[in-house]
Amino acid sequence: KQEVTQIPAALSVPEGENLVLNCSFTDSAIYNLQWFRQDPGKGLTSLLLIQSSQREQTSGRLNASLDKSSGRSTLYIAASQPGDSATYLCAVRRGAQKLVFGQGTRLTINP
Amino acid sequence: DAGVTQSPTHLIKTRGQQVTLRCSPKSGHDTVSWYQQALGQGPQFIFQYYEEEERQRGNFPDRFSGHQFPNYSSELNVNALLLGDSALYLCASSFGAGDQPQHFGDGTRLSIL
Repeated sequence: KQEVTQIPAALSVPEGENLVLNCSFTDSAIYNLQWFRQDPGKGLTSLLLIQSSQREQTSGRLNASLDKSSGRSTLYIAASQPGDSATYLCAVRRGAQKLVFGQGTRLTINP
Repeated sequence: DAGVTQSPTHLIKTRGQQVTLRCSPKSGHDTVSWYQQALGQGPQFIFQYYEEEERQRGNFPDRFSGHQFPNYSSELNVNALLLGDSALYLCASSFGAGDQPQHFGDGTRLSIL
């Protein structure tokens, strides 16, 4: 059974810092890994999707890496801003469409 | 281009009642998946519908059932509601039942009293 863990559960940093969110998964036979952002009471917004054959993906200030063999992914956020405050979720998929999510990291960026 | 839309946005029910949640997929999408997200937790997969059939199911009891219509919209039905069913219910749509990314709606917040 695939299990996804995110550490830390919560993180609070001052504005402008670079930060790293971690995601680990127990079964390395994944199809892809996706990072989502969730604002309070809202749905999920996809940030980055990394196929199993890829090592990393970048979008603006965000960079996600994938090490499938060790079952780890990181989301790097550069020059954090208060608008980055949200919960960040990672999810893995194997085969068909079912996504398995971690519990999320609640990020607070302090002005 | 409308994204995934869900209705209602909020719903309050009492234990033992039944509820129906609705989802309209993003234009061009034909596959709908439903997830349950308890407070402070990550979403849990309930089931997926493609070509009007349930294709996959997560670890949820038979009280949870669904339907997909010819226009690809979908309903999630929950019978005999329990306090533990209080959660945000998310719908995600995609094209095909393969490897295309899922797009999520804003969810329905269900509260059971």
